[in-house]
Amino acid sequence: GQNIDQPTEMTATEGAIVQINCTYQTSGFNGLFWYQQHAGEAPTFLSYNVLDGLEEKGRFSSFLSRSKGYSYLLLKELQMKDSASYLCAVSDSNYQLIWGAGTKLIIKP
Amino acid sequence: GAVVSQHPSWVICKSGTSVKIECRSLDFQATTMFWYRQFPKQSLMLMATSNEGSKATYEQGVEKDKFLINHASLTLSTLTVTSAHPEDSSFYICSVTLETSGDYNEQFFGPGTRLTVL
Repeated sequence: GQNIDQPTEMTATEGAIVQINCTYQTSGFNGLFWYQQHAGEAPTFLSYNVLDGLEEKGRFSSFLSRSKGYSYLLLKELQMKDSASYLCAVSDSNYQLIWGAGTKLIIKP
Repeated sequence: GAVVSQHPSWVICKSGTSVKIECRSLDFQATTMFWYRQFPKQSLMLMATSNEGSKATYEQGVEKDKFLINHASLTLSTLTVTSAHPEDSSFYICSVTLETSGDYNEQFFGPGTRLTVL
């Protein structure tokens, strides 16, 4: 079957760095997405990785290792507004998105 | 990107009634729209793919007679939850995909509709 695993909840301090991991097992791979979802709102796009390596976009970076079925989202200089759920999603061989359950990130002052 | 709206943003209804949720693509003609459902603390679950001018494609386990989808135009898809029951209470989200300059299809989501069935 297809499976996306990510931690349920993480806590970090304002100004610090946090890494959210995602491992996946899917039938085929056409890229991995990270989305941010604030409570009660729809997800918004953060990043896309299809090749191995690190993609940096401001305070957020995303890493992919296809051989390990592994990705992480790195958030630097954490701000209170970063408190949200972070969803990992993989595009499978049919280009259908398989979603993880999301990681709730709690930022403390 | 694409701007997607949903209406209503929240609805409370009595058990046994039907509820219609609208999804509009405001600046993009979408031949395909997606309907998701999300229960608290759970993942997004794809319910169906809505195709303009043809029948929707439902995911396994989703009752097509209960969740009626109509994609009558390139900018509007509707999801009707018929004979709603408390277990249908959930967050319903629609999305469209847009091919980007980065050679991938990005999903743009509507703001979601919170359905509560009493």
